[in-house]
Amino acid sequence: DQQVKQNSPSLSVQEGRISILNCDYTNSMFDYFLWYKKYPAEGPTFLISISSIKDKNEDGRFTVFLNKSAKHLSLHIVPSQPGDSAVYFCAASDGGSQGNLIFGKGTKLSVKP
Amino acid sequence: GAGVSQSPRYKVAKRGQDVALRCDPISGHVSLFWYQQALGQGPEFLTYFQNEAQLDKSGLPSDRFFAERPEGSVSTLKIQRTQQEDSAVYLCASSLPSGTGRDIQYFGAGTRLSVL
Repeated sequence: DQQVKQNSPSLSVQEGRISILNCDYTNSMFDYFLWYKKYPAEGPTFLISISSIKDKNEDGRFTVFLNKSAKHLSLHIVPSQPGDSAVYFCAASDGGSQGNLIFGKGTKLSVKP
Repeated sequence: GAGVSQSPRYKVAKRGQDVALRCDPISGHVSLFWYQQALGQGPEFLTYFQNEAQLDKSGLPSDRFFAERPEGSVSTLKIQRTQQEDSAVYLCASSLPSGTGRDIQYFGAGTRLSVL
């Protein structure tokens, strides 16, 4: 059973508009969440993270929101740029010292000029 | 190099053949992870090393999978008697552990294994 779910396999957005990527999780022990971006033939690249003690973290055009009661997080990209076109993975950790990540299946974002 | 390096980038194996996949982590990174990513899926955890110690191998799908990191740096993932279901991208990641589990993992580009 998937513990981290990204229910939208794909998303298409116009350049300059907001992209919103969603992620749901089921394990209440998860307390650290990350977003990775992946271009074809490359490994996932870290984008932004959030700890469960916060409900928002911002880095430039990227903002992650966490709603613990709903077990939901979202990544907002404003404004979207064609170079943002990639697969975005949501990942979670249960905070154990080991830190292995549980990933969603990813959402493919296409930003059209 | 500054990043995680994996080789080979692509490997084609005949069913039943043994393969070895190499990972060079970022220098100084104590923690090393292997993940398997099947087509259309997210990466799935295979195994974890802290220095040379393999502390978790709970994600290895069968006893045909074996990983080692003898000197606490380079790691090798070995798959014996490959099967078609082993076809996937194998990703290696490394991190500096803070002991909190809130570490950024840096990934290599992966090895795409195709078993015919």
